[in-house]
Amino acid sequence: AQSVTQPDIHITVSEGASLELRCNYSYGATPYLFWYVQSPGQGLQLLLKYFSGDTLVQGIKGFEAEFKRSQSSFNLRKPSVHWSDAAEYFCAVALYNNNDMRFGAGTRLTVKP
Amino acid sequence: DTAVSQTPKYLVTQMGNDKSIKCEQNLGHDTMYWYKQDSKKFLKIMFSYNNKELIINETVPNRFSPKSPDKAHLNLHINSLELGDSAVYFCASSQGGGAGETQYFGPGTRLLVL
Repeated sequence: AQSVTQPDIHITVSEGASLELRCNYSYGATPYLFWYVQSPGQGLQLLLKYFSGDTLVQGIKGFEAEFKRSQSSFNLRKPSVHWSDAAEYFCAVALYNNNDMRFGAGTRLTVKP
Repeated sequence: DTAVSQTPKYLVTQMGNDKSIKCEQNLGHDTMYWYKQDSKKFLKIMFSYNNKELIINETVPNRFSPKSPDKAHLNLHINSLELGDSAVYFCASSQGGGAGETQYFGPGTRLLVL
């Protein structure tokens, strides 16, 4: 069955530390892959997306993600986290069109001073 | 200017009532969507609407109906509200409906059914 999994429900990192949020998908073909961020009380904002080409994708706010076909993963990274990065992060996949877009359960990021 | 706006921001109502949530986008996009986010933050697409073509997620009860007076608006009507309808509802839009199209989300409407 098609699915997208974010194994970590909640992650806490210290400000200035590096961050990696995990996302795995299970699809017959490589889908479009997205990372969205949701700040408290806000809607979702796209950080970056991937379909083909360079497997390392740069996004907004200093985020990047790496697509690894062999691992069916699309992990989000940031070298140095800022307090304003505290939010909920969602991985999403879509195969043919946005009607079939599926979101992971989300990872809540807490940033310690 | 807000790209995708929703009203109201909060909606508290009694079970059995009928309510509407409005959505407007000023991005000139062709496709609009409604999503439901439950208390566990799980997001699920409910509808997409493109050029008068409505695609409905099969799990959505027929008490929910989207209505589009024009390309910039997709309103959500809910009849006979139930406790389980309590959630945050997000409207979104994209230029086209293809999988690579970026969706722009509204701020959400927090619905509480008592």
